[in-house]
Amino acid sequence: QVQLQESGPGVVKSSETLSLTCSVSGGSISGSYWSWIRQPPGRGLEWIGYIYHSGSTKYNPSLQSRVTISLDTSKKQFALKLGSVIPGDTAVYYCAKGPGPNFEFWGQGALVTVSS
Amino acid sequence: QTVVTQEPSFSVSPGGTVTLTCGLSSGAVSTGHYPTWYQQTPGQAPRTLIFSTNLRSAGVPNRFSGSILENKAALTITGAQPEDESVYYCALYMSGGISSFGGGTKLTVL
Repeated sequence: QVQLQESGPGVVKSSETLSLTCSVSGGSISGSYWSWIRQPPGRGLEWIGYIYHSGSTKYNPSLQSRVTISLDTSKKQFALKLGSVIPGDTAVYYCAKGPGPNFEFWGQGALVTVSS
Repeated sequence: QTVVTQEPSFSVSPGGTVTLTCGLSSGAVSTGHYPTWYQQTPGQAPRTLIFSTNLRSAGVPNRFSGSILENKAALTITGAQPEDESVYYCALYMSGGISSFGGGTKLTVL
């Protein structure tokens, strides 16, 4: 059973870069797609993007100019960077396995608050 | 930009049957969108119930079923249980290889 765990700062200042890491255990990081999804408090889900084990990426067009997803196979981790954040980027950020729309396994989520 | 639409809320009596739908602001939902249904309870990550229109994820009770009804994806709960009270999200595969979620349906069982 694949398990995912998000980690990173819980508070980020406006205009700075949000950085999160997802650690994968219980399975190989190779041969799979890995995604980031977010959920503002009390609101719905938004797919941010994915990375394939080859390093190819696909991003949500609404966030594409600010998002980078990267992969470190040796550490079995993948990472999210979201630049120029605003308070509206405050959300629970989930990492998940799969390119979508079926995300087979999810992390527990990490709340990131953007302070103004 | 095409938006994925869901009913904001729905109510069902225990033991009753309810059908939630997932549509598009422009166009019809088809199996090519690989409709996926998630259940989310407060404080938890979403859990896949149905993927690829009508395939039940492992461990999901067979009272949950998926289909395409009148150009929308549909999630039917037959014999609703109190523990089914949750928010249900659909997700679709959109052109360009991106995934898009609906706004979610809050289901009340009472």
